[in-house]
Amino acid sequence: DTEVTQTPKHLVMGMTNKKSLKCEQHMGHRAMYWYKQKAKKPPELMFVYSYEKLSINESVPSRFSPECPNSSLLNLHLHALQPEDSALYLCASSQPLAGRTDTQYFGPGTRLTVL
Amino acid sequence: AQTVTQSQPEMSVQEAETVTLSCTYDTSESDYYLFWYKQPPSRQMILVIRQEAYKQQNATENRFSVNFQKAAKSFSLKISDSQLGDAAMYFCAYRSGFGNEKLTFGTGTRLTIIP
Repeated sequence: DTEVTQTPKHLVMGMTNKKSLKCEQHMGHRAMYWYKQKAKKPPELMFVYSYEKLSINESVPSRFSPECPNSSLLNLHLHALQPEDSALYLCASSQPLAGRTDTQYFGPGTRLTVL
Repeated sequence: AQTVTQSQPEMSVQEAETVTLSCTYDTSESDYYLFWYKQPPSRQMILVIRQEAYKQQNATENRFSVNFQKAAKSFSLKISDSQLGDAAMYFCAYRSGFGNEKLTFGTGTRLTIIP
């Protein structure tokens, strides 16, 4: 069983909607990640939070807004998305250790469809 | 920049047989990690095995083992006694040892298990 949970499993939204994806990890990790995965492609990194601070933003459009309210929660706020943003959104977490970060563990993903 | 190449888009193996998935990578770094993740139709990215570049010994996890050839920059995954539950997309991934938390994925190999 995964210790990284994501809600919702599926989300359908219109281009004018505002929605949020949620991720929670129960492993005490202090680094959390958002990835976007299109069909038949590998995941692409979007954001990294380390100790609740945004450490990497891979030039993601501003219609995606991450938030890390505490060390176990990670949100991705969505607004004015485009149909090409339809994808599987994966959350992952890892434990920073002496300047390194350990293995990333992934949640089950949220399948997003933008109409 | 690091790159990861998986030259086999699809592979198939008879149940109970052994299969090897190929992965090569390109890097100028000496300190890094390599991973194999599997992604079954359920979409969950599951860690299969990881290898630290400074370790000469090949990693093993039950039926899964790697052949890590650092000089050749090769990192193949061997699955012994293949089972139906092994059917999935397999991604090879690279991560720098320090500072850079980004996972660089290969394009994946879809493994089919023939009963």
